[in-house]
Amino acid sequence: AQTVTQSQPEMSVQEAETVTLSCTYDTSESNYYLFWYKQPPSRQMILVIRQEAYKQQNATENRFSVNFQKAAKSFSLKISDSQLGDTAMYFCAFMNYNAGNMLTFGGGTRLMVKP
Amino acid sequence: DTEVTQTPKHLVMGMTNKKSLKCEQHMGHRAMYWYKQKAKKPPELMFVYSYEKLSINESVPSRFSPECPNSSLLNLHLHALQPEDSALYLCASSQGWLGNQPQHFGDGTRLSIL
Repeated sequence: AQTVTQSQPEMSVQEAETVTLSCTYDTSESNYYLFWYKQPPSRQMILVIRQEAYKQQNATENRFSVNFQKAAKSFSLKISDSQLGDTAMYFCAFMNYNAGNMLTFGGGTRLMVKP
Repeated sequence: DTEVTQTPKHLVMGMTNKKSLKCEQHMGHRAMYWYKQKAKKPPELMFVYSYEKLSINESVPSRFSPECPNSSLLNLHLHALQPEDSALYLCASSQGWLGNQPQHFGDGTRLSIL
């Protein structure tokens, strides 16, 4: 079984600044995927970014990028030029390639972007 | 706009009522999921359907009864619920059940049990 840990229950950042959300995971698998999902107050879980474990290059999506450290089992999310609309709950999630499409979520980090 | 549509958005029901939650997607996805999410917690998987067949039941009480009438529609029938069942119920879908298939979520139904 795998576990996902998000050590920062709450964070805040000033608008236009950069913030990094931490995520660590524990697994014995070698083939897996990692995701960051965003859940704003509107409730919908939105996929922000994903990373294949076999890829060394860190994924990026516009203002969102990850720092994937496979040996350290770390998968942090960096949000650049933070916007008010980034205020949300952020969940890190793990998917074992060989165990179907099941997501294991971390406990979440609540991010507040302040004007 | 979400591509996974859930109705109703809010539901209040008594412990003796019978109600159903509905989830619909038209992306051609063949895997659909029900999650339960309590406040400030991550979603917890309840059921997985793959090609309209129940693939996973995460030991969910029988007062929750899922149904997948076709590849686009997923229902969750509710009966004799308890106050602790009050939560946000999220539906999700993915292209398939194997490999790297990102899940697309709906807006959820917020359920309150009186």
